[in-house]
Amino acid sequence: DIQMTQSPTSLSASVGDRVTITCRTSQSISDYLNWYQQRPGMAPKPLIFAASSLESGVPSRFSGSGSGTHFTLTISSLQPEDFATYYCQQSYSTPGTFGPGTKVDIK
Amino acid sequence: EVQLVQSRAEVEKPGESLKISCKGSGYTFSNYWIGWVRQMPGKGLEWMGIIYPGDSDTRYSPPFQGQVTISADKSISTAFLQWSSLKVSDTAMYYCARRTHGGRGRYYFDYWGQGTLVTVSS
Repeated sequence: DIQMTQSPTSLSASVGDRVTITCRTSQSISDYLNWYQQRPGMAPKPLIFAASSLESGVPSRFSGSGSGTHFTLTISSLQPEDFATYYCQQSYSTPGTFGPGTKVDIK
Repeated sequence: EVQLVQSRAEVEKPGESLKISCKGSGYTFSNYWIGWVRQMPGKGLEWMGIIYPGDSDTRYSPPFQGQVTISADKSISTAFLQWSSLKVSDTAMYYCARRTHGGRGRYYFDYWGQGTLVTVSS
């Protein structure tokens, strides 16, 4: 199975900050990488698929980049509703493993 | 509107059997893979397995192979996750999600159910 790591595990940030989360995979997965947001008590929702494609309805302050084994999710200007946990997920092979998550909370 | 509606929360004793459900609507249920994702209390997301309702082709993640059974009944647009003998460690929130094609073979889960909380306690 492909192993996923994310960094940092958690971060504290202020509204308006630029935030970057990193995801790394144990083997090359091209751009078969997705990002999800999970707010407390809610189901996850997709943000980015295929490493850099924005899901319909997701604000443009979210962006993704990377390929191979190194990927990033960037929030250009953090908004109050963005305080949540973010997960990467690979869809290169089965099982489609998730990263351990990065919790973004208010500084 | 695409929706996945999951069955209600369950409280069971260790050793009991359980089957939870996920009903799809607003799209052709047979044509999309449905995945199951576990989230233990305070923990991250775990990919359990996936089923194609059109022909019931099913794939499991190794930790869940033999521990749960994933099935689907396309006639009622419903996928299922079942246990034959629950353990306390099965206590978790379970989500179903529809896997869609993002182009060029890139798949992701685009619609999610609201989750079913399973509590196993003596």
